[in-house]
Amino acid sequence: NAGVIQTPRHKVTGKGQEATLWCEPISGHSAVFWYRQTIVQGLEFLTYFRNQAPIDDSGMPKERFSAQMPNQSHSTLKIQSTQPQDSAVYLCASSLTGPQDTQYFGPGTRLLVL
Amino acid sequence: GDKVKQSPSALSLQEGTNSALRCNFSIAATTVQWFLQNPRGSLMNLFYLVPGTKENGRLKSAFDSKESYSTLHIRDAQLEDSGTYFCAAEAGASSGQKLVFGQGTILKVYL
Repeated sequence: NAGVIQTPRHKVTGKGQEATLWCEPISGHSAVFWYRQTIVQGLEFLTYFRNQAPIDDSGMPKERFSAQMPNQSHSTLKIQSTQPQDSAVYLCASSLTGPQDTQYFGPGTRLLVL
Repeated sequence: GDKVKQSPSALSLQEGTNSALRCNFSIAATTVQWFLQNPRGSLMNLFYLVPGTKENGRLKSAFDSKESYSTLHIRDAQLEDSGTYFCAAEAGASSGQKLVFGQGTILKVYL
C-alpha cells in the first residue's frame, strides 16, 4: 500500500499563473479530503468528496479555487490566477468511508507563489 | 474563538520522561483524531477515538465527550517522538462533519 500520493511535492509559480495539484487516494477509500496548512492559519479544511461526489466545500475560497474528482483514483485541486497568499502546503487525505473514519494524509504539495 | 484549543503550544522533554498533551473543544466533538507531523511535514495518524481510551505502545489517548477534552500521554519519550502533535475533532452536523484541527503542540525530545 503506497499510501496517499500527492504530486508535485513542490511547485513554484508566478503570480497570476494557474496551479493544479494532484492527489491519488489509498485504493479502496471512498472519501478524499483537501486541507491547507500555513504558519498563520494552521491546518484548514478545504473540501471533501465521497464516492467522487463533492460533499462539503465550505472551506474553499469562493474565487479561483476549484476541486474535482473525475474518478476514484485521483482528485485535483486547481488554483487560478495564483496570489502570494495562496502559498501554503496543500494536504490531501483519504479515509475508508468519510469524516468519521481515520484519515490518512499524503506528504503534501508545497506551493510557493512569487 | 478557537474551536479546538491545544496545550501546551510547545514542550521540551528529556528522553525517558513522560508528559501529556491536551485538547479542549468548544464544539460538540463526537470523534477525535491525533496526528504527529514529523519534521519533513508528513502527518501520521496516531489515534482515532470515540469517547473512551486507546493505547498503542508508549502512547495512550483518552477522549471525554461530556467534558469536551482529549489527552495524549507519552511515556518514556524517545528522540523520534519529536514533531508537532495535532488533535482534530469531528462534530457531526454541527461542524459539517469535517475535521477541525487544533494549532498543534511542538514537542522536542532531547538527550
